Amino acid sequence: GDSVTQMEGPVTLSEEACLTINCTYTATGYPSLFWYVQYPGEGLQLLLKATKADDKGSNKGFEATYRKETTSFHLEKGSVQVSDSAVYFCALSGENTGNQFYFGTGTSLTVIP
Amino acid sequence: DSGVTQTPKHLITATGQRVTLRCSPRSGDLSVYWYQQSLDQGLQFLIQYYNGEERAKGNILERFSAQQFPDLHSELNLSSLELGDSALYFCASSVGIKSSPLHFGNGTRLTVT
Repeated sequence: GDSVTQMEGPVTLSEEACLTINCTYTATGYPSLFWYVQYPGEGLQLLLKATKADDKGSNKGFEATYRKETTSFHLEKGSVQVSDSAVYFCALSGENTGNQFYFGTGTSLTVIP
Repeated sequence: DSGVTQTPKHLITATGQRVTLRCSPRSGDLSVYWYQQSLDQGLQFLIQYYNGEERAKGNILERFSAQQFPDLHSELNLSSLELGDSALYFCASSVGIKSSPLHFGNGTRLTVT
């Protein structure tokens, strides 16, 4: 079945460091891929998405490229800020699964000044 | 603001009791999802409804049930509560078509004592 494997955390970075959180997926066909962010005490918020191969999703300085050949959707940011401290979830929605979602286990990011 | 409303925000109850969690989806969204988030098990998919019909079932216990009403709001009923049911319960909604993202509420924090 469809699934998402996400890099284990927690991750601690200094402000202005580069961030990469790895995400790989297993799915038949062409799923849609998402990154969600959860700030303390809040629900998950959509960060970015990509719906077809080679699409790049971007938002708030974060980017992720849908790579069909490596079944990956890694989250990247060139320079993190303290305000980026949160838990990040990779997710997929299968092509033929009635918009059913599969989430990774989440990666906790702490950015220190 | 995601547009998804969950009530109550917090709930404290005793073992063996029954509670009802309520969710109002974003305007125009036909699909509602319920998730359980606990520290040791991450984000667990419970159940999905689309326009009043059950569409997919995840790791939902038999003590738990849900429904989606004609006005599209949804309720999650948890009965015979156990200490291990203490968690954050999230509702999410989507348009329900392929590649449409989920929009999450801020959750109900359930504490069973």
